[in-house]
Amino acid sequence: RKEVEQDPGPFNVPEGATVAFNCTYSNSASQSFFWYRQDCRKEPKLLMSVYSSGNEDGRFTAQLNRASQYISLLIRDSKLSDSATYLCVVKSAGTYKYIFGTGTRLKVLA
Amino acid sequence: EAGVTQFPSHSVIEKGQTVTLRCDPISGHDNLYWYRRVMGKEIKFLLHFVKESKQDESGMPNNRFLAERTGGTYSTLKVQPAELEDSGVYFCASSQDGGAYVYGYTFGSGTRLTVV
Repeated sequence: RKEVEQDPGPFNVPEGATVAFNCTYSNSASQSFFWYRQDCRKEPKLLMSVYSSGNEDGRFTAQLNRASQYISLLIRDSKLSDSATYLCVVKSAGTYKYIFGTGTRLKVLA
Repeated sequence: EAGVTQFPSHSVIEKGQTVTLRCDPISGHDNLYWYRRVMGKEIKFLLHFVKESKQDESGMPNNRFLAERTGGTYSTLKVQPAELEDSGVYFCASSQDGGAYVYGYTFGSGTRLTVV
């Protein structure tokens, strides 16, 4: 079983739609959680950190459920420019090492 | 502020040859990391430097891979001799002390290595 699991998609949604991605992690001692965005053939870029109380940044909302060991990302009012791969990232407890999910591909259609 | 710089952006080498990848972190970032994405797989950790010291090299696949960070500035990752399964995208990242916990890393644009 992978340490971080994501549905690879692709998720094809129309502009303006709301889309949600989930990610599960296996290590209950994991401490920090992030969503990164990766465009085709580019480097991952931090979209947002995920806090225990949940957090929002514009159209993006991240939630953490420690009891069920999953993280979610909600994108409202999808834009064409949101098309990318969204990587769920968990920081391994006691180290600076990141564990990546395989990513979820999103394509927003006009 | 300049970002994380990696060189070369692409490299095509023959099996058995040697390749050296270079990473220049953001100035002042003591923490430097190497990651790799093999085709169809997730990005995986290779190792972590704090200044010039290897803090964690648990992800290094075998002794054909050698990473150095002399003087605590830029880092190199040498693959010798390269094998076909080493093909992939090698990412370098850096962070300030403790920054990785909240602010994440800054990644370089990667080196795409193809071994033929």
